[in-house]
Amino acid sequence: NAGVTQTPKFQVLKTGQSMTLQCAQDMNHEYMSWYRQDPGMGLRLIHYSVGAGITDQGEVPNGYNVSRSTTEDFPLRLLSAAPSQTSVYFCATRTSGYNEQFFGPGTRLTVL
Amino acid sequence: GQQVMQIPQYQHVQEGEDFTTYCNSSTTLSNIQWYKQRPGGHPVFLIQLVKSGEVKKQKRLTFQFGEAKKNSSLHITATQTTDVGTYFCAGLPGAGSYQLTFGKGTKLSVIP
Repeated sequence: NAGVTQTPKFQVLKTGQSMTLQCAQDMNHEYMSWYRQDPGMGLRLIHYSVGAGITDQGEVPNGYNVSRSTTEDFPLRLLSAAPSQTSVYFCATRTSGYNEQFFGPGTRLTVL
Repeated sequence: GQQVMQIPQYQHVQEGEDFTTYCNSSTTLSNIQWYKQRPGGHPVFLIQLVKSGEVKKQKRLTFQFGEAKKNSSLHITATQTTDVGTYFCAGLPGAGSYQLTFGKGTKLSVIP
C-alpha cells in the first residue's frame, strides 16, 4: 500500500498562475484534509472532506478550491497564485472511527 | 475560535537530558493528539489522549492530559539524537468535530 501520496513534491509558480496539488490515498479513509505549514505557524486546516461529494472550509480557505469526486482523490486548486500562498502543503487522511491522521509527504510550493 | 498554545517554541538539550513541551487550549477538548515531524518530513501520529487526567507512556515518552481537558504535556526522558524534530499537539474541540487545531510546535534539538 502506498498510503497517502502527493504530487508534485516541489513547484514554483508565478503570481497569477493556477495549479492543482494532487492527493491520493489507498487506505479507503473517509476523511481527507489539506493543511498548510508555514514557519512558526504550525499546521493550519485549509479544506476538508468527510466523504465523496462532501467538502467544507477549514481555518484558511481563501484562495483555494477543493472537490472530492472519489474516495481516493482530493485535489487542491489554486486559481490565481499569490506570494502569500508560498508554503508547504500536506494532505492528510483518517477513518471516521478514529482520529489518527496519516499525512502525505508534502508539496513545497513557491510563488514568485 | 479555538486556540491551542504550545511552549516552548524551541528547546536545545544535551543528549541525556529530559525535555518537556506543554500545550494549552482556550476551550475544553474532547481529545488531544501528539505528532512528531522530523526535519524535512511530514507529521507522524504519536498518540491520542481522551480521558481527563489520562497518562500514557511510550518507552521514554510520557503524555499527560489535564484534569480539565484543556492542557497536555509531552515529556521525554534521557533524550537521544533520534528525538530531534518538531513536536505538535493538536486538539479536537468536541466529539464528531473534524476541525483539529494544531499548536505551533516545539522544535527540539539534541546536542550529542
